Amino acid sequence: GENVEQHPSTLSVQEGDSAVIKCTYSDSASNYFPWYKQELGKGPQLIIDIRSNVGEKKDQRIAVTLNKTAKHFSLHITETQPEDSAVYFCAASMNTGFQKLVFGTGTRLLVSP
Amino acid sequence: NAGVTQTPKFQVLKTGQSMTLQCAQDMNHNSMYWYRQDPGMGLRLIYYSASEGTTDKGEVPNGYNVSRLNKREFSLRLESAAPSQTSVYFCASRGLAGGSNNEQFFGPGTRLTVL
Repeated sequence: GENVEQHPSTLSVQEGDSAVIKCTYSDSASNYFPWYKQELGKGPQLIIDIRSNVGEKKDQRIAVTLNKTAKHFSLHITETQPEDSAVYFCAASMNTGFQKLVFGTGTRLLVSP
Repeated sequence: NAGVTQTPKFQVLKTGQSMTLQCAQDMNHNSMYWYRQDPGMGLRLIYYSASEGTTDKGEVPNGYNVSRLNKREFSLRLESAAPSQTSVYFCASRGLAGGSNNEQFFGPGTRLTVL
């Protein structure tokens, strides 16, 4: 089955810096790659996703890149702000009707003022 | 809309006790999911329901049962709780199968401790 590895487990940056979180997946049949943000005491919330027919997607300060050949994808956050502090999870799945996400182990991002 | 709601928020059980975690969504979603979240292990799928009347095992189903009571509700039951089931449990739902909406919407979670 699918296996998703995520690095780093923790990331500390100064406000205004960029942050990059990387994930690799094992199943070449996976074609949908979402990123979720989880704030303390809350459930995860989708922040951006990408399908395998696209190499990059941007939404304001966040972007995701996908390299299908190498089977890795990354989350980029520019101009980080303290409210970006949270745990971020990558995931992978085949985008069928029964979407079954396999999650990475999470990255705790801390943005210091 | 309340989205996805879960009850209870917190629960402490003794080994061997049983309990049911409740989940409901008001978004008319077909698919519903139960995950557990453990430190350093991300979220792991326990069971899912693609549509009303169907349920299937996920990655870690042992020790759990589920019921898709109707389109809105999906419950998770622990028949004989074990300390290894201490975790935070999340319910999620997703829109129409095959549709353009891929997002899974998560509830606020239930923090369960088994002593």
